[in-house]
Amino acid sequence: DSGVTQTPKHLITATGQRVTLRCSPRSGDLSVYWYQQSLDQGLQFLIQYYNGEERAKGNILERFSAQQFPDLHSELNLSSLELGDSALYFCASSSPIAGGHTGELFFGEGSRLTVL
Amino acid sequence: DQQVKQNSPSLSVQEGRISILNCDYTNSMFDYFLWYKKYPAEGPTFLISISSIKDKNEDGRFTVFLNKSAKHLSLHIVPSQPGDSAVYFCAASPFGNEKLTFGTGTRLTIIP
Repeated sequence: DSGVTQTPKHLITATGQRVTLRCSPRSGDLSVYWYQQSLDQGLQFLIQYYNGEERAKGNILERFSAQQFPDLHSELNLSSLELGDSALYFCASSSPIAGGHTGELFFGEGSRLTVL
Repeated sequence: DQQVKQNSPSLSVQEGRISILNCDYTNSMFDYFLWYKKYPAEGPTFLISISSIKDKNEDGRFTVFLNKSAKHLSLHIVPSQPGDSAVYFCAASPFGNEKLTFGTGTRLTIIP
């Protein structure tokens, strides 16, 4: 158990719809990361929040947005869903180590989104 | 642009032998490297890391080697065990940056 909780574990929805994925980081971790893993693809970095503020942005579509709340949980909102958005969405948390590196990321079990 | 590449999608190794997983990177700003292991229906878990000031880091059966001039790192598992069967991801980050860039993964199968 990594200590990172993601809900829901599975989600099936239709094209054009909107969904929200939720993540609770490990106790004490201030950084939350969202990654997307499509079929046979690596983990694509979407976005990072640190203590409520957006820290870094990756290949996140404009239809997607995220936020981190004062209690440090985070939500990833996916709207106007397309078939290609079907993927595993992972949340991870970390605490910075010396040198500003992330060090170890602790991943949740992922939310599997299926768009029909 | 795939900055971290794992060119072998899959690898099969006999139990007890050495497993060698390879990773290449293109961004010369990367100076911290990690390996993650992923079982089906689970999130990736951290395995081992190495800083660019080292060329080798060892943790039990796992050793990571870094060749900065070749922009190449490898993970050695000796001896390989059935429980090592998983997908292994290589990841890298630049100095002072918390964002990790992941490779596409190598599926390792240990044959009993």
